[in-house]
Amino acid sequence: EVQLVESGGGLVQPGGSLRLSCAASGFTVSSNYMSWVRQAPGKGLEWVSVIYSGGSTYYADSVKGRFTISRDNSKNTLYLQMNSLRAEDTAVYYCAREGGIQGNGMDVWGQGTTVTVSS
Amino acid sequence: SYDLSQPPSVSVSPGQTASITCSGDKLEDKFVCWYQQKPGQSPILVIYQDTKRPSGIPERFSGSNSGITATLTISETQALDEADYYCQAWDRSTVTFGGGTKLTVL
Repeated sequence: EVQLVESGGGLVQPGGSLRLSCAASGFTVSSNYMSWVRQAPGKGLEWVSVIYSGGSTYYADSVKGRFTISRDNSKNTLYLQMNSLRAEDTAVYYCAREGGIQGNGMDVWGQGTTVTVSS
Repeated sequence: SYDLSQPPSVSVSPGQTASITCSGDKLEDKFVCWYQQKPGQSPILVIYQDTKRPSGIPERFSGSNSGITATLTISETQALDEADYYCQAWDRSTVTFGGGTKLTVL
């Protein structure tokens, strides 16, 4: 079964760090574009970052320089390292798969993991 | 940064056709995707590459992209179609989502 399972969310103080994980099954992470998408409480979807199958990475301006996307091919797992967290980073974080070209759409989503940044 | 604009809400009567628009600069040069999200659930892809439906998505869902507006059309709308809908497009190497449209079936 094709599946994504996120973990690593929790409560963190402003300025703190957190690493999210996204374990994939039924397909190979490194063969796809993999994105992180977040959704603040009561708000819409916001794209955070993508890692291409070739390894290139890109970020939304709101997280550039603070967040790092990566993957471990041996574990078939995607990660999001989040540093210097702010209250506005509070959201449900989803990982999603998009086929190997732009426009294929994010056809597999995880269940989401909640990040709360608060003192 | 690239922006996509959607109406905040659309209402439709059961059995009628709902149209949700998504506007952006030079949208005709990009592929548009559409997602459905119900409360407490993860988004689901309903349209990709402007007009294509993933397997398992009912034929009632269709998409188009012309000029600066892309449109998601839901024919014979049912109560279970009530949800938030988001358009999405790539701009160079980044992704943009529209602000979302709440579809109410009443």
